Amino acid sequence: AQKITQTQPGMFVQEKEAVTLDCTYDTSDQSYGLFWYKQPSSGEMIFLIYQGSYDEQNATEGRYSLNFQKARKSANLVISASQLGDSAMYFCAMREGSTDKLIFGTGTRLQVFP
Amino acid sequence: EADIYQTPRYLVIGTGKKITLECSQTMGHDKMYWYQQDPGMELHLIHYSYGVNSTEKGDLSSESTVSRIRTEHFPLTLESARPSHTSQYLCASSFSDRRGLKLFFGSGTQLSVL
Repeated sequence: AQKITQTQPGMFVQEKEAVTLDCTYDTSDQSYGLFWYKQPSSGEMIFLIYQGSYDEQNATEGRYSLNFQKARKSANLVISASQLGDSAMYFCAMREGSTDKLIFGTGTRLQVFP
Repeated sequence: EADIYQTPRYLVIGTGKKITLECSQTMGHDKMYWYQQDPGMELHLIHYSYGVNSTEKGDLSSESTVSRIRTEHFPLTLESARPSHTSQYLCASSFSDRRGLKLFFGSGTQLSVL
């Protein structure tokens, strides 16, 4: 069965510093996709970044980058130059097989302090 | 910018009442989803639709039902609400392009059953 594991329930980072949020996954599929979403206290889910299993380059979107290590089955999110507005829950997710469904990890609560 | 709307944003209701959570998207996406999320926990898929008149249950068993009579509309109904149904319900729609699958979420409905 496919599974997403986020081992950090909470993380603290000082403003302007970089932070890495961990995500490991388990799948027997050769083709899969990995996602990161941000959920502020308001509750909506905001798409941040996507990495396909066959993508050779690590995905980047502005201050977000995905450190994809296929052999280790990890897809860590790196946020550079943290801002106070980055404080939120962050969820790692994986596309389930060849379907268009996502399975989610338990999330990491990030707190950015001045 | 995603155009997916959920109403109501918050709902407090008594046990035994019938409720319908509304979800609409204006992007013409065929695939739509309902996820359930308890506070501080991961999202669990409860319903999925491939398109009009096509729905299936998700990984998490739910007493709710859904319908998909029009592409843009994917309401979720609870025939008799119970306190165990208290949760946040997130609706989403998706499309795929050469870069992969993109899911767009609504703002969610926070349901409290007394």
